[in-house]
Amino acid sequence: AQTVTQSQPEMSVQEAETVTLSCTYDTSESDYYLFWYKQPPSRQMILVIRQEAYKQQNATENRFSVNFQKAAKSFSLKISDSQLGDAAMYFCAYRSLKETSGSRLTFGEGTQLTVNP
Amino acid sequence: EPEVTQTPSHQVTQMGQEVILRCVPISNHLYFYWYRQILGQKVEFLVSFYNNEISEKSEIFDDQFSVERPDGSNFTLKIRSTKLEDSAMYFCASKRRLYNEQFFGPGTRLTVL
Repeated sequence: AQTVTQSQPEMSVQEAETVTLSCTYDTSESDYYLFWYKQPPSRQMILVIRQEAYKQQNATENRFSVNFQKAAKSFSLKISDSQLGDAAMYFCAYRSLKETSGSRLTFGEGTQLTVNP
Repeated sequence: EPEVTQTPSHQVTQMGQEVILRCVPISNHLYFYWYRQILGQKVEFLVSFYNNEISEKSEIFDDQFSVERPDGSNFTLKIRSTKLEDSAMYFCASKRRLYNEQFFGPGTRLTVL
């Protein structure tokens, strides 16, 4: 079974600065997807960014980018020019591409990000 | 923009009672999911549903749980006889066919006393 680990329960960053959230995962599969979800205080989880394992190029979405290291099974999220609205719980998630695994997401523990003005 | 909605936002029940948590997925989505998050723990997969049947379920999803899509819009999770350890946030999610992103609802906080 796959596992996802986020070793930073809490992180803080100054507004306009850059912060990196860590995620590692364990899998024996070669094809899968990785996601970062953001859960603000309103509790609705929102997809931030997605990475397909077969793609070597790191995904980027505006101020959000990932550092995907497949061999190391590492998938960190970098937030540039942090804004107050970025404050939230961030979850890393894994999705297998095996048919038997369906499309379930396996989540990490989450990292609570605080943005200081 | 369409959103997944869930009702109620908070449900308090007595141990042993049945509860039904309701979700309205995004209208053109075909895959539906329930996840739960016990306070301080990871978000855990419970069940996925496609084409009017369960496509996958986790070890957590035992005989006390059931899901249903009673009409064209609602997707429900029933817990037949709640236990204290069922207290958690329950999230519904839905997904379009051939797309990877699951869209989550705001969650229902279930408190079992």
